[in-house]
Amino acid sequence: DADVTQTPRNRITKTGKRIMLECSQTKGHDRMYWYRQDPGLGLRLIYYSFDVKDINKGEISDGYSVSRQAQAKFSLSLESAIPNQTALYFCATSGLNQPQHFGDGTRLSIL
Amino acid sequence: SQQGEEDPQALSIQEGENATMNCSYKTSINNLQWYRQNSGRGLVHLILIRSNEREKHSGRLRVTLDTSKKSSSLLITASRAADTASYFCATDFTLTFGKGTMLLVSP
Repeated sequence: DADVTQTPRNRITKTGKRIMLECSQTKGHDRMYWYRQDPGLGLRLIYYSFDVKDINKGEISDGYSVSRQAQAKFSLSLESAIPNQTALYFCATSGLNQPQHFGDGTRLSIL
Repeated sequence: SQQGEEDPQALSIQEGENATMNCSYKTSINNLQWYRQNSGRGLVHLILIRSNEREKHSGRLRVTLDTSKKSSSLLITASRAADTASYFCATDFTLTFGKGTMLLVSP
């Protein structure tokens, strides 16, 4: 969905590095989400934000932090990357009581 | 909110055949949605069915909802190779998703 843009699309980095994944949207939605997906597993929620001043932890927030810089921007940071954070990361947005719209993902590899 | 559980985990069919996948959930819902995920891409919303609806159609997609059994099914008729993807159900705009059904449609 071109309305939800994730950067970078691919990233390879080393253990211990700080990494930021960025997400921007043009849909005007208040709600934004970060998920990770591992092979054979479903999507797991990392953090979510219902508006600029509202940030909530999801089921697997340890090792991650987020920043909601504006309604349209929601970034995910790995303060000190470790190999088991290698995964496909998705940003999504929605309006209240609306289906989610997903970006095309960031494939992150940590060596 | 709860997540739905998709079944089967994997389904392999030939082009032209119909594909049926199921979703079960545990508590009363207001609506249920189905999403598709092509390999390595984000989920795409396909269809939403409300709790007072029993069946809904969209092109080759047919969704049914049985609230008494707390289950839904997604039928894709006359499958095409391009339908190869994972399919997820979600209830009441949940923030959590199950593992999905991986559908492989062979030419």
